[in-house]
Amino acid sequence: EVQILETGGGLVKPGGSLRLSCATSGFNFNDYFMNWVRQAPGKGLEWVAQIRNKNYNYATYYAESLEGRVTISRDDSKSSVYLQVSSLRAEDTAIYYCTRKGVDWGQGVMVTVSS
Amino acid sequence: IQLTQSPSLLSASVGDRVTLSCKGSQNINNYLAWYQQKLGEAPKLLIYNTNSLQTGIPSRFSGSGSGTDYTLTISSLQPEDVATYFCYQYNNGWTFGGGTKLELK
Repeated sequence: EVQILETGGGLVKPGGSLRLSCATSGFNFNDYFMNWVRQAPGKGLEWVAQIRNKNYNYATYYAESLEGRVTISRDDSKSSVYLQVSSLRAEDTAIYYCTRKGVDWGQGVMVTVSS
Repeated sequence: IQLTQSPSLLSASVGDRVTLSCKGSQNINNYLAWYQQKLGEAPKLLIYNTNSLQTGIPSRFSGSGSGTDYTLTISSLQPEDVATYFCYQYNNGWTFGGGTKLELK
C-alpha cells in the first residue's frame, strides 16, 4: 500500500523559512517523479514544484509564482522528498500536499504565515 | 497554460447526467486529468490522459475532449459525488483549473 506522509508544517512569521518533509513507502521511490501542490484555505489547487528521478538527473521545476523562494529536493535512500520555502508571506498560507505523479497524495501539512 | 472551469457551481439531482467543462488557453494535447476533492480530504485522481479511468474509479465517471476543450461527465449522479472537481493539465508545465463545486439540488 502506498503511503505518503508530510511533516514540518506550522506557524511561521512573515519572512521566515520552513522545510517540509514527505516520507513515502509502498512503491519504488527511485522510479517516480514527485510533486508538491498547495491549497490556500477555501481556494483551489496550485502546483508548486516537481523533482524528477535519477534517470532525469533529478531535474527540478517550479511554479513561476514561487520561483526563487522554493527548493525541492529528494533523498532516494530515505524515499523522501523535501520542500524548502523561504521569505514566507501571508499568501503562502496553505495546505501543502506531496504527491506521487499526481496519483497518490498525502493528507497534507498546514503552513500558516502570520505575525 | 491557464485552465478555466465552468460552471463554478453546479446543482444537480441524484440520477442526473452531469457535465463539467475545462477550457485551456492553449492546446493541451490530451494531457488533461480530473480530480475529485471532498471537504477536508486530499484530491483523488479520477481521469488521466483525457479519458483513461483511474483504477478503482466508478465507470459512471468519464472524460472526453481534445485541443483546448475537455469535459468530465458523471452519467448518473450519486450522493457521494458531492465534491469539488478540478481539471489539471500537464502538457506545458502543470496547471489546475479553478474548480467546479458540485452540490445536490
